[in-house]
Amino acid sequence: IVLTQSPGTLSLSPGERATLSCRASQSVSSLFRGWYQQKPGQAPRLLMYAASSRASGIPERFSGSESGTDFTLTISRLEPEDFAVYYCQIYGGSLITFGQGTRLEIK
Amino acid sequence: QLQLQESGPGLVRPSETRSLTCTVSGGSIGSGGYYWAWIRQAPGKGLEWIGSVFSTGRTYYNSSLKTRVTISIDTSNNQFSLTLNSVSAADTSVYYCARHVWSGGSYFDFWGQGTLVTVSS
Repeated sequence: IVLTQSPGTLSLSPGERATLSCRASQSVSSLFRGWYQQKPGQAPRLLMYAASSRASGIPERFSGSESGTDFTLTISRLEPEDFAVYYCQIYGGSLITFGQGTRLEIK
Repeated sequence: QLQLQESGPGLVRPSETRSLTCTVSGGSIGSGGYYWAWIRQAPGKGLEWIGSVFSTGRTYYNSSLKTRVTISIDTSNNQFSLTLNSVSAADTSVYYCARHVWSGGSYFDFWGQGTLVTVSS
């Protein structure tokens, strides 16, 4: 299963709304869809699992949704610490796959 | 709070076999029904799942690496390990260990800080 994230880079200002997308090439159960945030020099951090469940300690401004083979991470109002690279991840076909990443940068 | 720490050689010569170890603290890797995973990231690139091991020793591997990878678990020392055979420059990456929840979903909720492995002669 191939995961395609879009856009590759997203340039926004603090306070704006960010919408990051991930498309799977085949159907994947909602249970097996997740999102991670990675800042330079750090390990990834789990944000969302089962498509729309926030991980422990993740602020409410982060939310997840899905439609068919597409799933979306939304950050309602960007804080300065949200600018990072975001990866989607699925489990399907006996394989765990990450998307290529979306870089969220300050405009 | 669960903590994971990778250890192992930072420089490896091409064609060699090398191992990395992940030491877990703040919880027992033999309980809780979790898997334990290795994930890598080549410089400037995305994330690649290598494989996962359960407390019983059952393993699942990325098919693209399966012939060169072995993941094992040592519950008595609260550690799990990755062995990679016949390494090449393409294996140069930061290697992360992580706790893998694989029940009611599939995701990695605790990560080590990562260790850079460089393959070079």
